[in-house]
Amino acid sequence: DQQVKQNSPSLSVQEGRISILNCDYTNSMFDYFLWYKKYPAEGPTFLISISSIKDKNEDGRFTVFLNKSAKHLSLHIVPSQPGDSAVYFCAASDRGGKLIFGQGTELSVKP
Amino acid sequence: ETGVTQTPRHLVMGMTNKKSLKCEQHLGHNAMYWYKQSAKKPLELMFVYSLEERVENNSVPSRFSPECPNSSHLFLHLHTLQPEDSALYLCASSQSWDRGSYEQYFGPGTRLTVT
Repeated sequence: DQQVKQNSPSLSVQEGRISILNCDYTNSMFDYFLWYKKYPAEGPTFLISISSIKDKNEDGRFTVFLNKSAKHLSLHIVPSQPGDSAVYFCAASDRGGKLIFGQGTELSVKP
Repeated sequence: ETGVTQTPRHLVMGMTNKKSLKCEQHLGHNAMYWYKQSAKKPLELMFVYSLEERVENNSVPSRFSPECPNSSHLFLHLHTLQPEDSALYLCASSQSWDRGSYEQYFGPGTRLTVT
């Protein structure tokens, strides 16, 4: 049973608009969440994280929102740029050093 | 460049071969990980080492054998693999999680094909 789910395998957005990537989790013991970005032929790159004591964390064009009651997090990218085209993975941790990853969402930003 | 290197980047091996994957981190971290990524599947954690001791083994078949000689190096020894073991193998490192750090930094991966 998958504990972290990204239900949209792909997303296409126009340059300059907002990209919203979603992630759901089932384990209430998860209390730290991360987003990774992956280009082809490269390993995942850490993007942004959020602790469960917060509901929002911003870093430049990237904002992660956490809704603990809904067990849902989202990554907002605004404005989206063609260089943001990649596969985005969300991951969750119960602070035991183990990350559980979602299946990934492939974002395509069109010029 | 994330500070985590992996060699080789590509490997083709027969089912009777023995080979090893190598990972090196230059970040001063003390935890290292092996992940497997198969097509259209989430990253699957295989092994975790913290302070050079194995702390997690996610029911990985014995044909995969990890080795962590020190906090900067991690190996994955492969023998008598099956075609379904073909995947991208990723190494990652982090500070030990008991220091409150959970971000893991990944290498570029080794694309393994078993024929």
